[in-house]
Amino acid sequence: GQQVMQIPQYQHVQEGEDFTTYCNSSTTLSNIQWYKQRPGGHPVFLIQLVKSGEVKKQKRLTFQFGEAKKNSSLHITATQTTDVGTYFCAGKTGGFKTIFGAGTRLFVKA
Amino acid sequence: DAGVTQSPTHLIKTRGQQVTLRCSPKSGHDTVSWYQQALGQGPQFIFQYYEEEERQRGNFPDRFSGHQFPNYSSELNVNALLLGDSALYLCASTRDREDLWDTQYFGPGTRLTVL
Repeated sequence: GQQVMQIPQYQHVQEGEDFTTYCNSSTTLSNIQWYKQRPGGHPVFLIQLVKSGEVKKQKRLTFQFGEAKKNSSLHITATQTTDVGTYFCAGKTGGFKTIFGAGTRLFVKA
Repeated sequence: DAGVTQSPTHLIKTRGQQVTLRCSPKSGHDTVSWYQQALGQGPQFIFQYYEEEERQRGNFPDRFSGHQFPNYSSELNVNALLLGDSALYLCASTRDREDLWDTQYFGPGTRLTVL
C-alpha cells in the first residue's frame, strides 16, 4: 500500500545546531504538507508544497519538494528550544486521503 | 473565530462497548476528516465527510462509522471496542476546493482508553 517513510525517528540537538528531517514516499505525491505537534498537543499545519522541485522558507525553516515528487525535507537552521516537538510530513497521492509519516521527534538541549 | 473543537477530551471505555466522538469544524469549513493517532505514531486517516456523505475511507474496519450533519459537524462512532482502539482521535476540517491548497486544521483530539 501507499507509504510515507520519515527519518530519523528522533534527533537530539544542542540549541543553535541545525536539524533536518526527510520524508520519502513509495508513490508520486500530488502534494506534501508539513505539520508540527508539540508534546500533548495536536498537529499544526506549517506549509504545503505542490510543485516539483519547490522550495519554501519560513524564517528559520526551509521546506523542499523533490523533483520526482516522491521526497521532501524540512531543515531548521539554528534550532531553538521552542522548536521542540514532532514534525510530520503528510501527502496525497490523489483523492482525499492524506497519508502521514511516523514523524521525527526533535529534542533541543539548551 | 472558533477553531476546530472536539468532545469529550478524554474517555475511558471497556472492551466491547461503543463510543461516539464529536467534532465541530472551524468556521467556514465544510469538510471533516477523522484520524487515529496511536502513541508515537503519525495520524492514520479513518475517513472524510463532505456534504453529509463519506467520500473516502482509509483502512479501518466497518466498526468505525461516522456521520456529518447539515451544520458540518461530525461524529465518529466505534462499535465493539478493542484494546487496540486506544488512541488519540483527531478531527481535521478544511474547506472543499477543486485545487489542493487548503490547510487542514486539527482539533485538540479525544484521548480514548479501552480497558
